[in-house]
Amino acid sequence: DTAVSQTPKYLVTQMGNDKSIKCEQNLGHDTMYWYKQDSKKFLKIMFSYNNKELIINETVPNRFSPKSPDKAHLNLHINSLELGDSAVYFCASSQNLAGGRETQYFGPGTRLLVL
Amino acid sequence: SQQGEEDPQALSIQEGENATMNCSYKTSINNLQWYRQNSGRGLVHLILIRSNEREKHSGRLRVTLDTSKKSSSLLITASRAADTASYFCATVIQGAQKLVFGQGTRLTINP
Repeated sequence: DTAVSQTPKYLVTQMGNDKSIKCEQNLGHDTMYWYKQDSKKFLKIMFSYNNKELIINETVPNRFSPKSPDKAHLNLHINSLELGDSAVYFCASSQNLAGGRETQYFGPGTRLLVL
Repeated sequence: SQQGEEDPQALSIQEGENATMNCSYKTSINNLQWYRQNSGRGLVHLILIRSNEREKHSGRLRVTLDTSKKSSSLLITASRAADTASYFCATVIQGAQKLVFGQGTRLTINP
């Protein structure tokens, strides 16, 4: 079974549309994250949640809204998509927050292309 | 600006040779982690070294940490074609609650 799963794997959409990416982890972890990896492979944290509570919001535009219905799920909704949102989005989880010191387990990524 | 920067950005070697990648960072850290990313896949954790450790081994991997120079190195011995991937260092800045990744070293092992 996949530890951290994301859907969809690929997402191609028009500028201005609204889309969601789902993430689920079956590791029993308390903390989940969203990262964005740009075309230069630079990976940057967007959000982290600990037990459904928002911990980090890394100055991401408010078009991006994470939602954590329970600690096993962290979904990412993006409104009014822009060309610059094209990237690979990774979900990750760790056992607990521990100041970010824990090993993180990554999902396979969602490749978003905005046309 | 980035906390961690890997060097070199790309490395191509023959199978069986050793591969060394370096990571430099700017501020004091709690720990430093190395991750591998195969093409089109997510990141996989390789090894974590704490700020009070100087060297750590895991199989064919050897990681060193020099906090005085704010640098770390990852050595892969007896490389294999399957080691072809991008390798990222990530640091946990003291007082912060997040991992900060470098841009990675793209390693190619030629058969």
